[in-house]
Formats: sequence, C-alpha cells, structure tokens
Amino acid sequence: QVQLVESGGGVVQPGRSLRLSCAASGFTFGDYAMHWVRQAPGKGLEWLAVISYDGTHQYYADSVKGRFTISRDNSKTTLYLQLNSLRPEDTAVYYCARGGEQWRPAYFDYWGQGILVTVSS
Amino acid sequence: EIVLTQSPGTLSLSPGERATLSCRASQSVSSNFLAWYQQKPGQAPRLLIYGASRRATGIPDRFSGSGSGTDFTLTISRLEPEDFAVYHCQQYGSMWTFGQGTKVEIK
Repeated sequence: QVQLVESGGGVVQPGRSLRLSCAASGFTFGDYAMHWVRQAPGKGLEWLAVISYDGTHQYYADSVKGRFTISRDNSKTTLYLQLNSLRPEDTAVYYCARGGEQWRPAYFDYWGQGILVTVSS
Repeated sequence: EIVLTQSPGTLSLSPGERATLSCRASQSVSSNFLAWYQQKPGQAPRLLIYGASRRATGIPDRFSGSGSGTDFTLTISRLEPEDFAVYHCQQYGSMWTFGQGTKVEIK
C-alpha cells in the first residue's frame, strides 16, 4: 500500500533553517510528481511546491519562492523540502502528497500524516 | 493564480440531511480539473472527488460532485456521523490552489 511518512519537523528560531523529508513506499516513486502542502493552525490548505517525477522541474508558491527548495532522491524514494529564513508565519503542519504520473496535471491521491514545524524564539 | 472561494464557511446540519457545498473559481478551471478533499481533526486530507465529478476509490456514492467552468458543487446526499468534517476544493488545471474550506458541523 502507498505510504508517505514525513520527518524532520520541530521547533526552530526565526531566521534558521530546517529540512523536511518524506519517505515514500508502496509505489514506483520515480514515476510521480510530488508536492508539499502546509496548513497553519486553524487555517486552510496552502500548496507550496511541486517537483517533477525526474526532478528536473520545480515550481513554487510565491509565498515561499526563494526561501524553500524542493528536491527528491529517486534512489532513496524520498522527497525533501529545505526551509530557509524561517518566519513565525511559516508555523504549520507540512504534508507531502503524491501528484500525477509523469508530468500530467493531477490531484493529490495520497498524503502523508503531516509534520509540525513551529517557528518561535 | 486561480482563487477558489468556498461557501458557506460553516454548514450546520443534522445526520440524514443533505449537504450542498459550493466552490467558485476566479477564472475558468481548465478541463474541469477540480478536486474535493475531506479532512477530519488531526488527520491528513482524503481525496473524495476529482475531475469535478469522479469519485475516488472507496468513496461512498452519497458523495457527488458537479459543475464546470467556475462553479462547482459537492453534495452529500444523506449525512452520516462520520461525514462531519472540513471539506476543501482544489483546482489543478493551472498550478494548484485550494479553497479556504467549508466546515460541516452537527446541528
């Protein structure tokens, strides 16, 4: 069965960095685009970033462009999100989600359980 | 960027009643690439509907989606106790954006 498991969250001071990981299993990881989505406390879902199945294309929401970097290692079936210059408003639960095969427009059919990132001094 | 506006913000209904949730897009959604997700407290979202009207695997037929262009609707024909949750719409035709969510609560 498809599983996505995030790790790497925690409490971090403003201006510092953090790297989130999402370990994937149960499907051919290298065939799918992957996404990061976050949800601030009591708020809605916010799409953050996508990476193509082969890692050659990445796109970001304006709110994180230039601060966050999405990457993947298909040999390790793992997705990453590097979070730099963190701000208190980045406090949220971060989810990884599976997108479409190859580079087709697609919904998110599987989600990780989410990992909490708290930015506070 | 396509902005999705969901209404109402909160829907108070009783089990057995019909729920109608709206999702309006700021511009036409390409190829009706519109999805609906259900989220319960402390859980990740779960895919319900994609392509505006196609039920995801394992989703009961009391959930149905309709609409096209800029106006979309999620209908729950008869609310079961487990259906009280937050529902999010998402468009995936032009990058990806979510609506702000509709909470369906027990009246």
